[in-house]
Amino acid sequence: GDSVTQMEGPVTLSEEAFLTINCTYTATGYPSLFWYVQYPGEGLQLLLKATKADDKGSNKGFEATYRKETTSFHLEKGSVQVSDSAVYFCALSDRGSSNTGKLIFGQGTTLQVKP
Amino acid sequence: DARVTQTPRHKVTEMGQEVTMRCQPILGHNTVFWYRQTMMQGLELLAYFRNRAPLDDSGMPKDRFSAEMPDATLATLKIQPSEPRDSAVYFCASGLLNWPNMPQHFGDGTRLSIL
Repeated sequence: GDSVTQMEGPVTLSEEAFLTINCTYTATGYPSLFWYVQYPGEGLQLLLKATKADDKGSNKGFEATYRKETTSFHLEKGSVQVSDSAVYFCALSDRGSSNTGKLIFGQGTTLQVKP
Repeated sequence: DARVTQTPRHKVTEMGQEVTMRCQPILGHNTVFWYRQTMMQGLELLAYFRNRAPLDDSGMPKDRFSAEMPDATLATLKIQPSEPRDSAVYFCASGLLNWPNMPQHFGDGTRLSIL
């Protein structure tokens, strides 16, 4: 079945460091890909998305490019801030034959940014 | 911005009691999802609805959990009887099935503790 694999955390960085969180997926169809962020005590918020190969999603300085050839959707940010400390989830939605809109989530990666 | 609203935000009760969690999806969204989040299992999809009809509840323990949408503005998740292992954060999410853009919008969750 469809699945999403993220790099294990926690990831600890100093402020202004470069961030990469790896995400790879397996899907039988042609999925849409998403990154969600969860701040402490809150629900998940959509961070960015991409719906076809080579699309780049971007928001708040974060970027991710849909790479069909490597089945990847790595999250990057050039300079992290303390306020970026959160849990990040990679997810896919595969239309398939049922077109349910279900999201398949990775296990989440905790990012901690230190001043 | 429109938001998914969940009530209550916190619930502490004793084992064996009935628990009802409520969700108001974003107006116009036609798909509603219930998730459970724990440290051990991560995010688990419990059930989801399309146009108020249940599509899949295979993620729920059938003997004690039930999910309904009495109308388009209210989704409920009930546990009866509750058990300590049900302690978790329960999230509701809603979305508009509009391939390929099908992001889900999450509420802030109900934090449930069963003593």
